[in-house]
Amino acid sequence: DAGVIQSPRHEVTEMGQEVTLRCKPISGHNSLFWYRQTMMRGLELLIYFNNNVPIDDSGMPEDRFSAKMPNASFSTLKIQPSEPRDSAVYFCASTPAVVVTGELFFGEGSRLTVL
Amino acid sequence: GNSVTQMEGPVTLSEEAFLTINCTYTATGYPSLFWYVQYPGEGLQLLLKATKADDKGSNKGFEATYRKETTSFHLEKGSVQVSDSAVYFCALTTGANNLFFGTGTRLTVIP
Repeated sequence: DAGVIQSPRHEVTEMGQEVTLRCKPISGHNSLFWYRQTMMRGLELLIYFNNNVPIDDSGMPEDRFSAKMPNASFSTLKIQPSEPRDSAVYFCASTPAVVVTGELFFGEGSRLTVL
Repeated sequence: GNSVTQMEGPVTLSEEAFLTINCTYTATGYPSLFWYVQYPGEGLQLLLKATKADDKGSNKGFEATYRKETTSFHLEKGSVQVSDSAVYFCALTTGANNLFFGTGTRLTVIP
């Protein structure tokens, strides 16, 4: 079975450019999470969806960040405009249940570098 | 509130040494506890879990016991291998739609 699939794996862009990260969760999973990982702040939850509906976006840093889940098999995280401090590894994760009771399945991450 | 505190790394051990990575937590209600592992260049994956007090989670030679009296969930392994080199994250959930992670502990095992 395919796991969580993220693209791109690596992205290098210049400050001010728009960045779109993509995620395909595991088929049949009802919850999807976006995390950001940096050396300074560790792993931070940005937003999560249940059944394609955003439930908690309190972790989104600011209005430059937005996330969508138009259907059960696809989600995007967009940064516009990007800034150097957005450089990080962004992980998508999914889980079968609506309530988090166990295992999150993580993708391999998208490493973003903003110059 | 809910939070996880784990020992800061990095931790460097020789092969076959004993490993302990400390993890303590604060939580409202009765949390489930987890250890995740992140190998270089990969996403996190679940290593083991325990859902109630005194439960012991185990996998791949790693163990952790849910200690309610000390609010701890320390990770142990009797004999580490080079392939265990990774970052280890302690985490908890109270079933409220989130998983709270610690800051991670980097382990390097040298031959």
